[in-house]
Order: sequence, then structure tokens, then C-alpha cells
Amino acid sequence: DAGVTQSPTHLIKTRGQQVTLRCSPKSGHDTVSWYQQALGQGPQFIFQYYEEEERQRGNFPDRFSGHQYPNYSSELNVNALLLGDSALYLCASSLNRRNYGYTFGSGTRLTVV
Amino acid sequence: LAKTTQPISMDSYEGQEVNITCSHNNIATNDYITWYQQFPSQGPRFIIQGYKTKVTNEVASLFIPADRKSSTLSLPRVSLSDTAVYYCLVDRSARQLTFGSGTQLTVLP
Repeated sequence: DAGVTQSPTHLIKTRGQQVTLRCSPKSGHDTVSWYQQALGQGPQFIFQYYEEEERQRGNFPDRFSGHQYPNYSSELNVNALLLGDSALYLCASSLNRRNYGYTFGSGTRLTVV
Repeated sequence: LAKTTQPISMDSYEGQEVNITCSHNNIATNDYITWYQQFPSQGPRFIIQGYKTKVTNEVASLFIPADRKSSTLSLPRVSLSDTAVYYCLVDRSARQLTFGSGTQLTVLP
């Protein structure tokens, strides 16, 4: 049973560029959340997708956007990259209406230079 | 969302029992307490969740006093592979997990 799969594992981008990160949820899960984790900090909630719609958002600017597909997979897009966007981006999947059982992927390490 | 406070770091030796305490003075009636473990360059992994008294699973125990203003994660007989960051979360929403800075547990040989 595959867990959460994220791609790519590592990425280097230049300031001002745009990036797309991808996530395939655990089998049977229908909800996908994205988190940003800076070095030495805990993960910070970006947003959550359910039924192909963003239904909750954390304190992140509009440069951060996402999408969920009918097969529940998801993308995180970040525009106009800043040096401060360098972080580990984590995807977590879950079954709707459960506040436990989140499964996290291993993340995408984004470096902005 | 309730704020949690936990020690920044802890050291232990292999084979010892480790207890990590988390304070959550503003916990609400319908909040659950959840602990996650995270290894470097990996996502957090769910360890245990509880609402009151004691919960035990195959890897840990969670002790919650009657006032629920704190909780203690207990790891029996730790090994080197238990070296990780441990996060205490208090959440009532299924939509958002709020992580603090966690506790870096280092298990020494």
C-alpha cells in the first residue's frame, strides 16, 4: 500500500521563477494538505484541498496556489519565488472529517537562489 | 487554536524510558492531543492521539491528567532510532494541524 508520494524530491530555482510540486495521496485518502517547513521549525499549514476545492488556507500569500484533481492528487504552485521560500514542502493526505490519521510524504526540498 | 509548550531538547540513553511533557493551558473542550515524530528530511509520522486519561499503543503511551492542561508522551526503552523531533499538537479541526517547534530527542549509546 503506497503512502504519500511527492515529486520531485529536490529542486533548485532562481528568484522570480515559478515552481510546481506534486503529491499523490495515500490510497483511500481524499483530502490533501500542504505544509511548509523551514529549517529548524515545525511545519506550517499552507492550505487543504477536498473535492477539488481549497477549503482552508493558512497565512500564506496568493503567490501560493494549488489544485486537486479528480483522482485526489494535488499540486502546489508558487509564483515569483523569494529566497525565503526555500524550505521543505510537505504533503499530507487524510480521510475527510478525521482529525487523526494524517499521512505525510517525505517532502520536496526547494532551494531558491 | 491552543498553543503548546514543550522542551526544546532532551537527551536519554538507550534502554531508558523517556517522558516528554507538553503544556496546553488553553485547551478547549473538543480539542484532541496528538503527537507526531519526525526524522530529518522526512515528513512527520503520527504516533498517538488521546482526549483524556491514558492511551497506549505499540510504540508509546500518552498520559493526560483530568484538567487536560498538559500531557506526557512516554516512550519505553528507547533506542538510537528514536532520535527525532517530537511534536505535541492540540487541535479540534480536521482541516489544519498546528505544529510548534517540537522537542529534539537525542538517544545516546
